[in-house]
Amino acid sequence: EAQVTQNPRYLITVTGKKLTVTCSQNMNHEYMSWYRQDPGLGLRQIYYSMNVEVTDKGDVPEGYKVSRKEKRNFPLILESPSPNQTSLYFCASRPSVGGPKNTEAFFGQGTRLTVV
Amino acid sequence: AQTVTQSQPEMSVQEAETVTLSCTYDTSESDYYLFWYKQPPSRQMILVIRQEAYKQQNATENRFSVNFQKAAKSFSLKISDSQLGDAAMYFCAYRSADAGNMLTFGGGTRLMVKP
Repeated sequence: EAQVTQNPRYLITVTGKKLTVTCSQNMNHEYMSWYRQDPGLGLRQIYYSMNVEVTDKGDVPEGYKVSRKEKRNFPLILESPSPNQTSLYFCASRPSVGGPKNTEAFFGQGTRLTVV
Repeated sequence: AQTVTQSQPEMSVQEAETVTLSCTYDTSESDYYLFWYKQPPSRQMILVIRQEAYKQQNATENRFSVNFQKAAKSFSLKISDSQLGDAAMYFCAYRSADAGNMLTFGGGTRLMVKP
């Protein structure tokens, strides 16, 4: 089954304790991205990657890191989490540019992160 | 930078009735895609409908249709014969046809369906 898998689904952590949210896709997609969802703001992009070893900042990258060592994995790293990073996080992937058929983004199930 | 605005934080509709959710966007590009996503309480992001900007014909998917007004930069979603299962958050989203960037989302509209 084609899917994007995020782990964990729920996480409560303390300020300053490093954490990683994993994301893996089995569709051989080139593009992967991380979003955070906050009430009234919709989903905002944190980082994205166009291919292995190619990453770039989105709209709200502060406090986050990513890596793309393999095509299927795109982990999100919070080196020193703070309470303002409490949010719902989504990983998404889609094929490379190739016309209208490749427009759909596939989303993971979401990770609810609480930083206390 | 592109922006997407959903001016209705909440909407409600009676079961079996029709409801329209509004979305406007701002862009200087001519080639792009527009989407409506549904997010039920399960948090899953479900693609409802997509529209290519170069197509004049409005997209339809069963009970869901859009009114795409390119000059006005408007992209509304019409849900006909509303069902209880349509209750969810709905997000309008924009993506440039050229950029490696992914999607720009609006703030969302929470749709409630009354039995």
